[in-house]
Amino acid sequence: SQELEQSPQSLIVQEGKNLTINCTSSKTLYGLYWYKQKYGEGLIFLMMLQKGGEEKSHEKITAKLDEKKQQSSLHITASQPSHAGIYLCGADTSGGGATNKLIFGTGTLLAVQP
Amino acid sequence: EAGVTQSPTHLIKTRGQQATLRCSPISGHTSVYWYQQALGLGLQFLLWYDEGEERNRGNFPPRFSGRQFPNYSSELNVNALELEDSALYLCASSLWSNNEQFFGPGTRLTVL
Repeated sequence: SQELEQSPQSLIVQEGKNLTINCTSSKTLYGLYWYKQKYGEGLIFLMMLQKGGEEKSHEKITAKLDEKKQQSSLHITASQPSHAGIYLCGADTSGGGATNKLIFGTGTLLAVQP
Repeated sequence: EAGVTQSPTHLIKTRGQQATLRCSPISGHTSVYWYQQALGLGLQFLLWYDEGEERNRGNFPPRFSGRQFPNYSSELNVNALELEDSALYLCASSLWSNNEQFFGPGTRLTVL
């Protein structure tokens, strides 16, 4: 089974609507990273969360980390067509010290209808 | 500041051939990571290099190898190519002590 589960797998929303993407780990989270990817392209770093209860915002995107639930959520307010893409969560489940590798979720495909 | 760069953008090979992919990290970053993103399999960790040494390896066969040069750029070599090696290969870099990994645009490898 997947170590990092994302839900939903895909999402279609109308422009202006809010949406939430979830990322749940089967292992302890030492760091959680959110990336956005346009199909077939590289990943754009969005946010990094390291402490339980941590919440970060950038423009209309907010991410939270619930360390106890081993879960993170990404919330987009008043979605725009520019938000469309694949959202990936990556996790450091190795613990302690510098990262060596990230485990990634399967991604959430977001489409925003004008 | 220039981001992570990768070359070539696209690479087409036939079964049994060898492929070489290149990556230049962000200036000042010493760690380079390679990931494979194959259709239906998601993003899988391949290799981590830091200060010229291979530090960690994902669950891939030995025909996937690489190296890191003194200027911290890196090469990924895939020998004896198989059809299932067709994928987008992403390179990322970070400061050794920092978990933030910044990704390049990727090299799309197609094996015919």
